[in-house]
Amino acid sequence: KAGVTQTPRYLIKTRGQQVTLSCSPISGHRSVSWYQQTPGQGLQFLFEYFSETQRNKGNFPGRFSGRQFSNSRSEMNVSTLELGDSALYLCASSAGQALNTEAFFGQGTRLTVV
Amino acid sequence: DAKTTQPTSMDCAEGRAANLPCNHSTISGNEYVYWYRQIHSQGPQYIIHGLKNNETNEMASLIITEDRKSSTLILPHATLRDTAVYYCIVRVARQGAQKLVFGQGTRLTINP
Repeated sequence: KAGVTQTPRYLIKTRGQQVTLSCSPISGHRSVSWYQQTPGQGLQFLFEYFSETQRNKGNFPGRFSGRQFSNSRSEMNVSTLELGDSALYLCASSAGQALNTEAFFGQGTRLTVV
Repeated sequence: DAKTTQPTSMDCAEGRAANLPCNHSTISGNEYVYWYRQIHSQGPQYIIHGLKNNETNEMASLIITEDRKSSTLILPHATLRDTAVYYCIVRVARQGAQKLVFGQGTRLTINP
């Protein structure tokens, strides 16, 4: 069974641009969550999608958005990029929303904003 | 969100058992304790989770105290590849959704 796949693995963008990151969850998983990891703030929750609906959102500005498609694949978008958006962006998938359901992470997309 | 407290760093000799403690004194009755680890610049790897009973899988054992206010992750025979940051997380439910709240974790170094 394939794991969580994130594309691209690495990305370099310029301030002011926008970027779209993709996440394909494990087959059969319907929940996808996104996290941002930076050296200063650690791992922070961005948002969670389940059955194409955003179920929870972290404390990030509106420049960060996401969506989920009917096949459970998810994308996150960051508009008007800032230098501080440079980070490792991680996606996690789980089979459902029960508290005893494990979440499995992809290898992440490393975004560098210059 | 339920908060966890872990030591910043720990060392362990290769081949010995590594015991990583975690305090979660504000945990609620239906909240699970999860452990993940992250090897440098990779995505976090799921290790184990539990509610109130001790759990064991091929990677580790999880011992949860009877009052559920603390737990210990045990790697029975640590290898150099177990060097990583280990996160203890209490998974909470808010409005029908869940999220993982990561702390700073414990940086475990396995020494040859």
